[in-house]
Amino acid sequence: QKEVEQDPGPLSVPEGAIVSLNCTYSNSAFQYFMWYRQYSRKGPELLMYTYSSGNKEDGRFTAQVDKSSKYISLFIRDSQPSDSATYLCAMRPFQGAQKLVFGQGTRLTINP
Amino acid sequence: DADVTQTPRNRITKTGKRIMLECSQTKGHDRMYWYRQDPGLGLQLIYYSFDVKDINKGEISDGYSVSRQAQAKFSLSLESAIPNQTALYFCATSDFGTGNTGELFFGEGSRLTVL
Repeated sequence: QKEVEQDPGPLSVPEGAIVSLNCTYSNSAFQYFMWYRQYSRKGPELLMYTYSSGNKEDGRFTAQVDKSSKYISLFIRDSQPSDSATYLCAMRPFQGAQKLVFGQGTRLTINP
Repeated sequence: DADVTQTPRNRITKTGKRIMLECSQTKGHDRMYWYRQDPGLGLQLIYYSFDVKDINKGEISDGYSVSRQAQAKFSLSLESAIPNQTALYFCATSDFGTGNTGELFFGEGSRLTVL
């Protein structure tokens, strides 16, 4: 069983829809949670960063962490075609940990 | 110019050939990484280096070697390429200074095909 599970999709939704992307994990030591966005033929870029449980909002994006359920989510409101990308969750047990464990990535397409 | 530059961007080679992928960075970060990305598997860590004299194996280092020639340069070698090493390879850097998130900064990737 992988340490981090993420539905690879692909996921296709109409413009303006609310998108929910999710990851589950098995290692209760994980405390730092990230979402990276990867456009086609590009490297991943950090989108959201959260520590421990709770919500963090940045514009149209909200990251949610539920450590009791070992479940993290990324919500995209008012989705735009420019949001079409692969989204990867990632997590580590402590800030200095060299190993960042990635999910498989979810390929998202927003249709105009 | 990109902060993290990988060369070559695309390479097709044959089984048994030696291949080197190069990475250079202008971000001034001490930490550099090589990842491999396969469809449905996410990013897997091959090797990482915290400074010029520090090299560490990641989760899938077999069949690979690395060299940290300078703070800004980190190369990945496949001594004898095999078809299941066909993948997209990413170099990344990070800085764990005070207050930093440890964000990884990725290059644009090197697509390697081994026939």
